[in-house]
Amino acid sequence: DQQVKQNSPSLSVQEGRISILNCDYTNSMFDYFLWYKKYPAEGPTFLISISSIKDKNEDGRFTVFLNKSAKHLSLHIVPSQPGDSAVYFCAASEAGNNRKLIWGLGTSLAVNP
Amino acid sequence: KAGVTQTPRYLIKTRGQQVTLSCSPISGHRSVSWYQQTPGQGLQFLFEYFSETQRNKGNFPGRFSGRQFSNSRSEMNVSTLELGDSALYLCASSFKLAGGNEQFFGPGTRLTVL
Repeated sequence: DQQVKQNSPSLSVQEGRISILNCDYTNSMFDYFLWYKKYPAEGPTFLISISSIKDKNEDGRFTVFLNKSAKHLSLHIVPSQPGDSAVYFCAASEAGNNRKLIWGLGTSLAVNP
Repeated sequence: KAGVTQTPRYLIKTRGQQVTLSCSPISGHRSVSWYQQTPGQGLQFLFEYFSETQRNKGNFPGRFSGRQFSNSRSEMNVSTLELGDSALYLCASSFKLAGGNEQFFGPGTRLTVL
């Protein structure tokens, strides 16, 4: 049972436009969410996180929005750049349960020049 | 400071053999997590160690095991290798438990089982 779902395996956007990557979760006890980016042949790198006490967190071109009632979060990249082309993973954890991190399957983003 | 290092970077084994992979976390990090990545399967969580204790475990068979030493370095062992074990094995370290903290990933060990 996939508790963290990234329903779009891939996404293609034009350079300069907005990229929106979505993530849905089923466990209402999740209280911390993270986004990681992965280039081919490299390990993932941390991008941005959000606690459930917030509904938005911003870091430069990257903003994460959390909608707890819909159990949905999204990552916005504005403006998108070709170097943003990578696989993006959403992950979530809950305060108990040793904070086990649950990962989505990833969305492959292609930013076209 | 130095990042997460994994050895070896590449490994070729045959079915039935066993393999041990090593991970050295960032200095001061006490949590080490292991992941398997195969095409189309995303990141599959294997286990997480914190202060030499396994804190979390994924849904992998008992052929996959790990341990963590007092210096936080970790090893992962796979016994009786199967063709399906061919994958990129990633190690990640964090200061606290992975679910509440940014993880730093190593470059991975590419395991090929023939």
